[in-house]
Amino acid sequence: DIQVTQSPSSLSASVGDRVTITCRTSQNIYNYLNWYQQKPGKAPKLLIFGAFSLHGGVPSRFSGSGYATEFTLTITSLQPEDFATYYCQESYHKAFGQGTKVEI
Amino acid sequence: EVQLVESGGGLVKPGGSLRLSCAASGFIFSSCSMTWVRQSPGKGLEWVSSISSSGNFFYYADSVKGRFTVSRDNAKNSLYLQMNSLRVEDTAMYYCAREEVIGVGRNWFDLWGQGTPVTVSS
Repeated sequence: DIQVTQSPSSLSASVGDRVTITCRTSQNIYNYLNWYQQKPGKAPKLLIFGAFSLHGGVPSRFSGSGYATEFTLTITSLQPEDFATYYCQESYHKAFGQGTKVEI
Repeated sequence: EVQLVESGGGLVKPGGSLRLSCAASGFIFSSCSMTWVRQSPGKGLEWVSSISSSGNFFYYADSVKGRFTVSRDNAKNSLYLQMNSLRVEDTAMYYCAREEVIGVGRNWFDLWGQGTPVTVSS
């Protein structure tokens, strides 16, 4: 089975900070990697698909990069509404990472 | 309005059964693959099952294979998850989601419902 590992599991940041979350997979998944945002008590929302394509309506301060086994989600200038948990997902076997909680 | 609304969750004893439903509106349901994702309390997301737009192809996580059955009724714009032989570890919020598929392994979940809770306990 493919393993999907996110780091860090949590981080503290301030409004205006640049935040980077890393996702590593145990196998080469090319660019088959998606990112989701989940706020407490709410359903997840798609942010980025195919490693770097921004889903409609997602602010441009979110960006994705990477290929093969290492990927990153970057949030430039963190906003109050960005405090949430972020999950990566490899789309071939549909496995999710364990999540990264972004806290104030 | 484009939305997915799940229902059917509840409290069930170990070994019992439950059928979840997901009602779709605002988009052409019969053209879309659909999926179920669950989240145990305080835990991360786990893909459970997917079904093709026609209903002819379906896929399951190993953790539910042989116990859960996914199905759909395109005439009713509805997705279902029949859950049998339920275990305590199946306790979770169950989300249905629309799956955009552009090729083998190239897919993502672009629309989610609000979830329906399932608790398996004696």
